[in-house]
Amino acid sequence: LAKTTQPISMDSYEGQEVNITCSHNNIATNDYITWYQQFPSQGPRFIIQGYKTKVTNEVASLFIPADRKSSTLSLPRVSLSDTAVYYCLVGDLGGYNKLIFGAGTRLAVHP
Amino acid sequence: ETGVTQTPRHLVMGMTNKKSLKCEQHLGHNAMYWYKQSAKKPLELMFVYSLEERVENNSVPSRFSPECPNSSHLFLHLHTLQPEDSALYLCASSQDRGGYEQYFGPGTRLTVT
Repeated sequence: LAKTTQPISMDSYEGQEVNITCSHNNIATNDYITWYQQFPSQGPRFIIQGYKTKVTNEVASLFIPADRKSSTLSLPRVSLSDTAVYYCLVGDLGGYNKLIFGAGTRLAVHP
Repeated sequence: ETGVTQTPRHLVMGMTNKKSLKCEQHLGHNAMYWYKQSAKKPLELMFVYSLEERVENNSVPSRFSPECPNSSHLFLHLHTLQPEDSALYLCASSQDRGGYEQYFGPGTRLTVT
């Protein structure tokens, strides 16, 4: 499983766009990139998943460059309720899922 | 009820007690997972069940004993725990083949005294 590196923490203000970058230099050909969000004392929640280029859903966008050695989760116009820990995970989709969570990025959104 | 549910939500137990955590998923998934999240630590995968068969056991002490009687239910039996076992225990489920999206329950906050 590819190892990921993310910033430990980030601060932002309401209404701003937040970009969280994840490095995964040894990503394999079959690996996908997935992001989860976790609020205190709750289980993680799936946000978005992609393989290459750009993926967008109603919550976020995921940008993946051609070499796929990094990815950026973009949260448009954050609000206080986006304060959470964001995890980047990399792995293939075959078989059962063995998610290896890192420390994640603790995002604090301020008024 | 939808999604993944866990009971109890909070549990306080002594080191000599025996208790069980319960997880139920209503999503039709056939893979289920137990995770442990200690304070200020990343989530740690404990066990994985696929089609009711245990396929992963990440060197978890024997005082934690999982049970998966069917694809919708998962238990974690606890006995003679240590204070360092105090943590948030999370259950998750997913489709067995394909897909990387796991659905997590709200967790059980366990305190061992």
